[in-house]
Amino acid sequence: EVILTQSPVTLSLSPGERATLSCRASQSVGSDLAWYQQRVGQAPRLLIYGASNRATGIPAKFSGSGSGTDFTLTISSLEAEDFAVYYCQQGSNLPLLTFGGGTKVEIK
Amino acid sequence: QVQLVQSGGGVVQPGMSLRLSCAASGFSFNTYGMHWARQAPGKGLEWVAVIGHDGSYRKYAGSVEGRFTISRDNSKNTLYMQMDSLRVDDTAVYYCGRDLDLGRYLDYWGQGALVTVSS
Repeated sequence: EVILTQSPVTLSLSPGERATLSCRASQSVGSDLAWYQQRVGQAPRLLIYGASNRATGIPAKFSGSGSGTDFTLTISSLEAEDFAVYYCQQGSNLPLLTFGGGTKVEIK
Repeated sequence: QVQLVQSGGGVVQPGMSLRLSCAASGFSFNTYGMHWARQAPGKGLEWVAVIGHDGSYRKYAGSVEGRFTISRDNSKNTLYMQMDSLRVDDTAVYYCGRDLDLGRYLDYWGQGALVTVSS
């Protein structure tokens, strides 16, 4: 099983600031990594897949990078609706998909 | 637009059964694989199962294998999860999701259905 470790657990930032979230895999997943946003009381929403491809309708302020075992999600300028929990997920070790523990982006 | 509308959650006792449904619209349901994932209260996400577009391919997480059965009815555009021998640790919000890229990701999610297993 591929273990995904996200850091930090909580990120306290102000609106307008840049957010950088990290996801590290216990073994290489190539580029088979996705990022999801989950707002309170809502279902997850796919943001990024294939490490760097934005999903349909996702604004350009969200970007993903990395390959192998180290990945980053960047939100260029935080807006009120971006304060949420973000999960990474690997799609390499099929069929068993695994998620990271999440990073909560909260208002400072 | 793609919509996944779930139904069937509820409260059951340990050892009992429950069936979840996920009605799809806005896309060609019979050409997409589908997933179930879950989220225990206050916890992270856990993938549960996947089914191929025609139902011939089915895989499960070890935590549910032998107790849960994923199925689909393409004539009704509906995905199902039959959950038997439910345990207290199956308590979670269950989400259905559409597959993206041959089992790798979930690009659209249902609204979720809460399943509570308690005596």
